[in-house]
Amino acid sequence: GENVEQHPSTLSVQEGDSAVIKCTYSDSASNYFPWYKQELGKRPQLIIDIRSNVGEKKDQRIAVTLNKTAKHFSLHITETQPEDSAVYFCAASRGNQGGKLIFGQGTELSVKP
Amino acid sequence: EAQVTQNPRYLITVTGKKLTVTCSQNMNHEYMSWYRQDPGLGLRQIYYSMNVEVTDKGDVPEGYKVSRKEKRNFPLILESPSPNQTSLYFCASSYRGRVGEQYFGPGTRLTVT
Repeated sequence: GENVEQHPSTLSVQEGDSAVIKCTYSDSASNYFPWYKQELGKRPQLIIDIRSNVGEKKDQRIAVTLNKTAKHFSLHITETQPEDSAVYFCAASRGNQGGKLIFGQGTELSVKP
Repeated sequence: EAQVTQNPRYLITVTGKKLTVTCSQNMNHEYMSWYRQDPGLGLRQIYYSMNVEVTDKGDVPEGYKVSRKEKRNFPLILESPSPNQTSLYFCASSYRGRVGEQYFGPGTRLTVT
């Protein structure tokens, strides 16, 4: 079946450094790729997304890139801050073509002051 | 205030005792979904609903039932809970054409002994 692989499972960086989280997906019909952030004890929240007709999208310190040929997409966080510490999930869906949203296994990001 | 609510937030029960976790949203979303979150496995979709009276299986539907009789409500039913259903459960909703942009409820921590 469809799946999304996410790496690394844990990531520790110093405040101010960059962090990169990578995901690969198997369903070639996937065309929408959201990223969710889950702080400790809280619910996941959408932070950024990218559609298949776009190669890169930025929002302040975060950016996502997509390589459809390789079925690979990544989250980049620059100038990390302690409040960026959380679990990040990538996901893939067929947009309005279906109801399944397949999540990766999650990356626990720790930003050390 | 736009929100997704779940009840109960915490539940400890015994094997075989039927239970229902309620989910309600006030955003007039067509799409609703249930996930379970387990360490190292990320968020796995149990069931989803594209609209009233339309439901479909996610990746891990075994042992669960759902119904969608009203647009705002999407209860999750465990007819005969087992210890392997001990998990953190999230309900989520979105507009039908924006399945990847989901609003999550606060979560229900279920323990089955």
